[in-house]
Amino acid sequence: ELKVEQNPLFLSMQEGKNYTIYCNYSTTSDRLYWYRQDPGKSLESLFVLLSNGAVKQEGRLMASLDTKARLSTLHITAAVHDLSATYFCAGVSGGSNYKLTFGKGTLLTVNP
Amino acid sequence: SAVISQKPSRDICQRGTSLTIQCQVDSQVTMMFWYRQQPGQSLTLIATANQGSEATYESGFVIDKFPISRPNLTFSTLTVSNLSPEDSSIYLCSVPRGSGTTDTQYFGPGTRLTVL
Repeated sequence: ELKVEQNPLFLSMQEGKNYTIYCNYSTTSDRLYWYRQDPGKSLESLFVLLSNGAVKQEGRLMASLDTKARLSTLHITAAVHDLSATYFCAGVSGGSNYKLTFGKGTLLTVNP
Repeated sequence: SAVISQKPSRDICQRGTSLTIQCQVDSQVTMMFWYRQQPGQSLTLIATANQGSEATYESGFVIDKFPISRPNLTFSTLTVSNLSPEDSSIYLCSVPRGSGTTDTQYFGPGTRLTVL
C-alpha cells in the first residue's frame, strides 16, 4: 500500500525567501502530482512528474522527482503572498496512473 | 484542462437521510473518480466510477454507503447514504485529461456536505 508523507505540514515564511517542501513515498509510484488548494476551493493541478530526474518549473515553483530515493520536492523561490495556500503531493498506486494517494498537505503562509 | 461541474456545491442534511452529488464533465472520459476530503484533512479516494459496470471501491468504502452511478461517459453520481455527522466532508470528482507529459488529473469544484 502506497503511503505518502509530506513535510513540513505547516510552513510560515517571509516574502522573498526560499524554501522546499518534501514529499516521500513508500513504494513505487510511476508518477507524482503536485496540487495547490486555496481555502474553500478545489485542487489546482501544478505539476505531474513522470520519470526519474524530472524537473518542472512554473513561475516561482519548481518540482523535481527522484524515484530511486522515492522523493519529490517542491521548491519555492522568492516567495510572495499569493503563494499562500495548501500544497499536496500525490502518488499513484493500484496499477492505475489515476488512483491518487495524497500526502497530508503543507499549509504555506507567506508573510509580508 | 477539463471543465468539471458538481451539484450541489454545498448542502446541509439531517442524519439518516441521503445526498446525491452529480458530476458533469465537458467531454467523454473513460474513468471518473470520487474523493472525500474530511475537514482539515487530505483527500482519500472513495471509488472509481466505471461506465457500463459496477464502481470499484477502495478499502474502507462500500457500495451500500456510497452507491455510484455512471450512466454515460460524461456524467456520474455519488450518493452518501444514511448520513451521520462523520460524513461531513467535501466530496470531489476527478477525471484524467491529456496525454504524455501533459497528462494530469483534474478535480471538480467539490460539494461541501454538513450533516447535523
